[in-house]
Amino acid sequence: DADVTQTPRNRITKTGKRIMLECSQTKGHDRMYWYRQDPGLGLRLIYYSFDVKDINKGEISDGYSVSRQAQAKFSLSLESAIPNQTALYFCATSDAAGGALGTQYFGPGTRLLVL
Amino acid sequence: KQEVTQIPAALSVPEGENLVLNCSFTDSAIYNLQWFRQDPGKGLTSLLLIQSSQREQTSGRLNASLDKSSGRSTLYIAASQPGDSATYLCAVRRGSSNTGKLIFGQGTTLQVKP
Repeated sequence: DADVTQTPRNRITKTGKRIMLECSQTKGHDRMYWYRQDPGLGLRLIYYSFDVKDINKGEISDGYSVSRQAQAKFSLSLESAIPNQTALYFCATSDAAGGALGTQYFGPGTRLLVL
Repeated sequence: KQEVTQIPAALSVPEGENLVLNCSFTDSAIYNLQWFRQDPGKGLTSLLLIQSSQREQTSGRLNASLDKSSGRSTLYIAASQPGDSATYLCAVRRGSSNTGKLIFGQGTTLQVKP
C-alpha cells in the first residue's frame, strides 16, 4: 500500500463549486504539505502544516483553505473553484527538518479540472 | 527571492547515452538540494539529496553534484535506459532550514529511445 494517498485522483467541477481534496499518510510524519503543479511552472507550495495545531500559508494560498484533522490527514479545500485553479495537486509529508530525514514523500497527485 | 531554473525543458537521447541535466538557483544560501523523478500518475520520487556541505551524491547510475557558490547542480545519468524516461525535478530547501519548504524548478522531461 502507498504511504501517501490522495483522493480523488481525478476531479472535474464547475466554477463556483466547493470541493475538497484529501490526503492521508501512514509514514507517521508530523509535517504535511500541499502543492500545485502547472505546466511550465513546476510545483508551488499552497499550505504546510508542522503538526495538528500548526498550519501555515505557502506561496499561493489565496483561494484555498486547509484542515489538519489528525496527524495522518491533511485536506485542501477550494471554497469557490475558478478555472485558473485547474492543475495537478500534490500532497507530501516529511519528518524532521534536518538531513536526509527531511526528504519529502509525495502522493500520486489529484488532477483537477474546473470548467 | 529564490528562483530555480532547469535547462533544457525537454531532452531526447538514444539508449545507452550518458547525459547531464542542469539546475540553477539564484540564492546560494540553501540548506539542501533534492532531485526528484516524476512519472505520470505516480507522483514524485526522491532520487538524491545533497546537503549544502556536500559536493555530490551517488546512487547507482545517478550522480548529483552541487556547487553552491555558482548556484548550480547537475544530475548525471550514466548508460541511459528507456525506463529512465520521466520528468526530473530539482528543488532547493531554503537556508533557514527549519521550514522544510522546497522551491522547485520547472523540470526536464527526458525521453530515452530504444
